Amino acid sequence: KNEVEQSPQNLTAQEGEFITINCSYSVGISALHWLQQHPGGGIVSLFMLSSGKKKHGRLIATINIQEKHSSLHITASHPRDSAVYICAVETSGSRLTFGEGTQLTVNP
Amino acid sequence: NAGVTQTPKFQVLKTGQSMTLQCAQDMNHNSMYWYRQDPGMGLRLIYYSASEGTTDKGEVPNGYNVSRLNKREFSLRLESAAPSQTSVYFCASRTGGLYGYTFGSGTRLTVV
Repeated sequence: KNEVEQSPQNLTAQEGEFITINCSYSVGISALHWLQQHPGGGIVSLFMLSSGKKKHGRLIATINIQEKHSSLHITASHPRDSAVYICAVETSGSRLTFGEGTQLTVNP
Repeated sequence: NAGVTQTPKFQVLKTGQSMTLQCAQDMNHNSMYWYRQDPGMGLRLIYYSASEGTTDKGEVPNGYNVSRLNKREFSLRLESAAPSQTSVYFCASRTGGLYGYTFGSGTRLTVV
């Protein structure tokens, strides 16, 4: 079993829909990161959080440390949100362990 | 533009050849990292450097060496490339534990 599990693996939505991507982990962490990888391959850091909730534009990330679970929400989704979303947990020594990613496709 | 610069973007090597992947950041970050990304496996840490002058092995260091040349530059060397090293390689940096990571655009390496 992977230390970081994401669901779903693939997600197709219509423009405007509310989207949720889930991340569960099995180890103690110091922080959790959400990353976005565009079709061209570049990786962008979206959020780093260790408790509670963060919001940036239409993106919201939450984490429940007790349940070892995090969610990434996208409100009013748009085709430009189509990308792979990656959850990564940070453990001792600032090492990251990555999930396999969720491929999101938003259709117009 | 500020960020992490990786070169080259694409490379094809023959088995047994050597090459160095270059990474430079201009954000004065202390820590730098090399990851590889393979289908179905997520990114995996090859080597990292917590600060100038230090390097440590990550999850998959075999077949690789690194050099933290100065605070800006962190190179990854394949001494004798193998087909199993076909992958996309990402360099990343961060300034400290309270901040997120900045990634380079990646190097797509094929070993034939």
